[in-house]
Amino acid sequence: DTAVSQTPKYLVTQMGNDKSIKCEQNLGHDTMYWYKQDSKKFLKIMFSYNNKELIINETVPNRFSPKSPDKAHLNLHINSLELGDSAVYFCASSQGLVGTDTQYFGPGTRLTVL
Amino acid sequence: SQQGEEDPQALSIQEGENATMNCSYKTSINNLQWYRQNSGRGLVHLILIRSNEREKHSGRLRVTLDTSKKSSSLLITASRAADTASYFCATPQGGSEKLVFGKGTKLTVNP
Repeated sequence: DTAVSQTPKYLVTQMGNDKSIKCEQNLGHDTMYWYKQDSKKFLKIMFSYNNKELIINETVPNRFSPKSPDKAHLNLHINSLELGDSAVYFCASSQGLVGTDTQYFGPGTRLTVL
Repeated sequence: SQQGEEDPQALSIQEGENATMNCSYKTSINNLQWYRQNSGRGLVHLILIRSNEREKHSGRLRVTLDTSKKSSSLLITASRAADTASYFCATPQGGSEKLVFGKGTKLTVNP
């Protein structure tokens, strides 16, 4: 069974559109994350939720809005997509606090904005 | 700001050889983690080493940590073609203890 799953795997869309990426973990973890990996493979944290509460919110445009309906799900909604949003977005989860525990990553969603 | 920096950026070796990758970081840490990313996939956790540990092993992997030099190394012994991947170190940073990743070392193991 997949531990951390994301949908969709690929997303191709036009500039200006709004899109969502969904993430689910079946590990019973308390903390979930969204990361962005750019074309140079640099991985940067965007958001982190612990038990549905936002605990990390990096300097991310407010066009990006995470939503955690329960601790097993963390979705990412992006409004008014821009060319620079093209990247691979990874969801991850961990049992413990951010930075102190192993993180389990999803397979990624490759977003291409045309 | 970036915390960990891997070195080298790219490494190409023959199957059976050992591969060593290094990571340097800037601030005090309570742990350092190594992850592997195969092409087109998510990251997979390899080893977590705590600040009071100097060395840790897992199968063909050996990780060392030198807190006085703020550096860590990952050694893969008897490499295989399946070890071809990018390897990242990650360290906690800041009051929120977010995990910050380096840019990675791209390892190619030639059969």
